Amino acid sequence: GAVVSQHPSRVICKSGTSVKIECRSLDFQATTMFWYRQFPKKSLMLMATSNEGSKATYEQGVEKDKFLINHASLTLSTLTVTSAHPEDSSFYICSASDPRGLTYNEQFFGPGTRLTVL
Amino acid sequence: AQKVTQAQTEISVVEKEDVTLDCVYETRDTTYYLFWYKQPPSGELVFLIRRNSFDEQNEISGRYSWNFQKSTSSFNFTITASQVVDSAVYFCALSERAAGNKLTFGGGTRVLVKP
Repeated sequence: GAVVSQHPSRVICKSGTSVKIECRSLDFQATTMFWYRQFPKKSLMLMATSNEGSKATYEQGVEKDKFLINHASLTLSTLTVTSAHPEDSSFYICSASDPRGLTYNEQFFGPGTRLTVL
Repeated sequence: AQKVTQAQTEISVVEKEDVTLDCVYETRDTTYYLFWYKQPPSGELVFLIRRNSFDEQNEISGRYSWNFQKSTSSFNFTITASQVVDSAVYFCALSERAAGNKLTFGGGTRVLVKP
């Protein structure tokens, strides 16, 4: 159980286009989802926390208008990188948790999406 | 504020050697969780262990063992008799209850096991 998927796994786009990444919890309801960014050979940095049905909470330094997060249902959160530029190229990882259940404080991670902006 | 430090950026060992990864954390919360994750070249994070702040018992799982010492704010991880498949980046992470389940990751330690 506790499987999280991400789609797409890899995406290459041209500078100036927008890219949407989906994060789905497949076998549980995720009231909270997290989005992380990881640069090559670096650690994971939390970008934002999203709770179902409410606005995402962004970490300091993360541009809200650049990285649009939507958590419209208990199984789906999306991250849209708007007007992507080469510096947005990175590995984006989502995680999902259900604090209401026994999995409290446990985050289940998706496999990640590698974004390359040309 | 929560902080996790993994002082070793890269460790190289020969197969069958033991390797210990250090993790030191900072927190003001009395209730917190510590984690270790493995990230192989594929990129997907693999959960290894979670330990809460009230449980200082050391744990062993196969070739893996963890040493949690609140007195030194450390949560070290040892791989015994390392294998090539252990080559990966290992992350230590901290979650404070007061911080709403947010994970703070250490910088990671890259382990290279040579045959």
